[in-house]
Amino acid sequence: KAGVTQTPRYLIKTRGQQVTLSCSPISGHRSVSWYQQTPGQGLQFLFEYFSETQRNKGNFPGRFSGRQFSNSRSEMNVSTLELGDSALYLCASSSGQGNTEAFFGQGTRLTVV
Amino acid sequence: GQNIDQPTEMTATEGAIVQINCTYQTSGFNGLFWYQQHAGEAPTFLSYNVLDGLEEKGRFSSFLSRSKGYSYLLLKELQMKDSASYLCAVRDGDSGAGSYQLTFGKGTKLSVIP
Repeated sequence: KAGVTQTPRYLIKTRGQQVTLSCSPISGHRSVSWYQQTPGQGLQFLFEYFSETQRNKGNFPGRFSGRQFSNSRSEMNVSTLELGDSALYLCASSSGQGNTEAFFGQGTRLTVV
Repeated sequence: GQNIDQPTEMTATEGAIVQINCTYQTSGFNGLFWYQQHAGEAPTFLSYNVLDGLEEKGRFSSFLSRSKGYSYLLLKELQMKDSASYLCAVRDGDSGAGSYQLTFGKGTKLSVIP
């Protein structure tokens, strides 16, 4: 059974640009959650998608957005990048129903210069 | 809002037992998770508690007291490979039982020494 796949693994962007990150969940999982991880703040919840609908949203500005496709793959987009957006972006895949564990992908390391 | 506290760093000796504490304050509660994260890798699930008491899984055990807003992760027979960050995370009551909106503590970096 394939794990959670995030692409790309590493990315360098310039301030003001936008970026799109991708996450393919485990086959059969319908929930994808996105987190930002930085040394100072730890893991912070961005948003969760379930069956193509945003189910929950964290406290991030509107520059951060996402979507989920019918095959459960999800993308997140960050527009007008700022230096402070440099972080490891992790997605977590779960069935989305009941108290089941989530499986994290390896993450995308974004560096904004 | 939610607040989760855990120690920043701990050091323990190979073969010993270590307890990592986590305290939380939440507007609601729908489960507490522990994750392990090695440097440069993805977090991996260790345990889940939603009722008070101890959950044991091999060398790892996790305890929860909802009335005290307190949990701990117990690691027995420590091995060098247990050197990692351990993350405590709470799912609040408003998120729904199936939701994975988790609030994480900043993690405890455990160093296991010979």
